[in-house]
Amino acid sequence: IQMTQSPSTLSASVGDRVTITCRASQSVSNWLAWYQQKPGKAPKLLIHKASSLPSGVPSRFSGSGSGTEFTLTISSLQPDDFATYYCQQYNSYSRTFGQGTKVEIK
Amino acid sequence: EVQLLESGGGLVQPGGSLRLSCVASGFTFTDYAMNWVRQAPGKGLEWVSGFSGRGTNTYYADSVKGRVTISRDNSKNTLYLQMHSLRAEDTAIYYCAKDTGSGVGALGWYYFDSWGQGTLVTVSS
Repeated sequence: IQMTQSPSTLSASVGDRVTITCRASQSVSNWLAWYQQKPGKAPKLLIHKASSLPSGVPSRFSGSGSGTEFTLTISSLQPDDFATYYCQQYNSYSRTFGQGTKVEIK
Repeated sequence: EVQLLESGGGLVQPGGSLRLSCVASGFTFTDYAMNWVRQAPGKGLEWVSGFSGRGTNTYYADSVKGRVTISRDNSKNTLYLQMHSLRAEDTAIYYCAKDTGSGVGALGWYYFDSWGQGTLVTVSS
């Protein structure tokens, strides 16, 4: 299953509402996770099952979608949120990631 | 607190071999599948292989099938990745990642809730 994210890079300012899209080449139901990765660090889980936030993840992060189209939204971008974001499907054991979306400071 | 500590990376010549290790703590190791995920320099994430929590279910990405073997020693809470016939395109940071599923059969493979810090494998002459 191929995962395609858009955009690849996003320039935004603190306080902006940011939306990242992830599309699957076939339906993955709601078996979709989002990760945040900062330079030199391991990825961190942000959302699972398309819209569920693990404990400790700020509520400004939200996810939506099902089937083949998903979105990650940051309601008000904070300085700590400048990072690269990846979606990942887990509809099968062969998990696949999107190519990533880098959120940069405008 | 879950901790995953990888080791074993380094510089290896094309065609060479390397064994990576990941020592886990802070959770019941046998309850969860474990995985290796890699990231080439400046690139995205690629799932490499997974091993079920109990039993011996293993899966591999097509890009490494036949060249790598995943294993685990539940008595030592340790996951391994034996890599052979290494190529330049295998150069990457290799992360150990804890699954949230147990990996029973072809089901039970989910997302990754804990990651190690990674170990760098460089394949170059």
